[in-house]
Amino acid sequence: TQLLEQSPQFLSIQEGENLTVYCNSSSVFSSLQWYRQEPGEGPVLLVTVVTGGEVKKLKRLTFQFGDARKDSSLHITAAQPGDTGLYLCAGANSGYALNFGKGTSLLVTP
Amino acid sequence: GAVVSQHPSWVICKSGTSVKIECRSLDFQATTMFWYRQFPKQSLMLMATSNEGSKATYEQGVEKDKFLINHASLTLSTLTVTSAHPEDSSFYICSAGTGLYEQYFGPGTRLTVT
Repeated sequence: TQLLEQSPQFLSIQEGENLTVYCNSSSVFSSLQWYRQEPGEGPVLLVTVVTGGEVKKLKRLTFQFGDARKDSSLHITAAQPGDTGLYLCAGANSGYALNFGKGTSLLVTP
Repeated sequence: GAVVSQHPSWVICKSGTSVKIECRSLDFQATTMFWYRQFPKQSLMLMATSNEGSKATYEQGVEKDKFLINHASLTLSTLTVTSAHPEDSSFYICSAGTGLYEQYFGPGTRLTVT
């Protein structure tokens, strides 16, 4: 199993603040996905990055894949209470099996 | 598109009984489905990979005789927890692959064994 380390593990911020979540590994991945999960529900795919150095934007969310394809970051601008949830990064190599990070639990308070 | 359903969404059963959880891809065909287990405030742990028409591949430490997986069609995979015990209580989530990388997840099934 290839380990993915996510940081921070917990994050509590106020509405309007910016934040960055990191996902690091010593292994190279063919692709990396970011998911958001709310309590009692399954994870929802936010983005897939496949090219080293790739940057993708999804409204206020910016995702970056490291040049060496070992790490990724998720930056949220002007966080809103609706952004509250568990953010999971997952790396994939041969086949489909995903290796998940431990997740970052984000709480955005009004 | 890419909707995955699970049934039931929650189930309570007595210790020693068996429980079957269904995972369906509603608008696409999935040659591969995955079963995960998630404990409170933790990440997802892959239990097994299920390929249509063949035996599932289990992760190390997962008892294949306890967690029976059947992938009878391109849109349906089932997980049966046999002789359930309280320690099997967890949130079980399935996912289905649509392409090379992405997986789409079901809403999960909350199992409580009393």
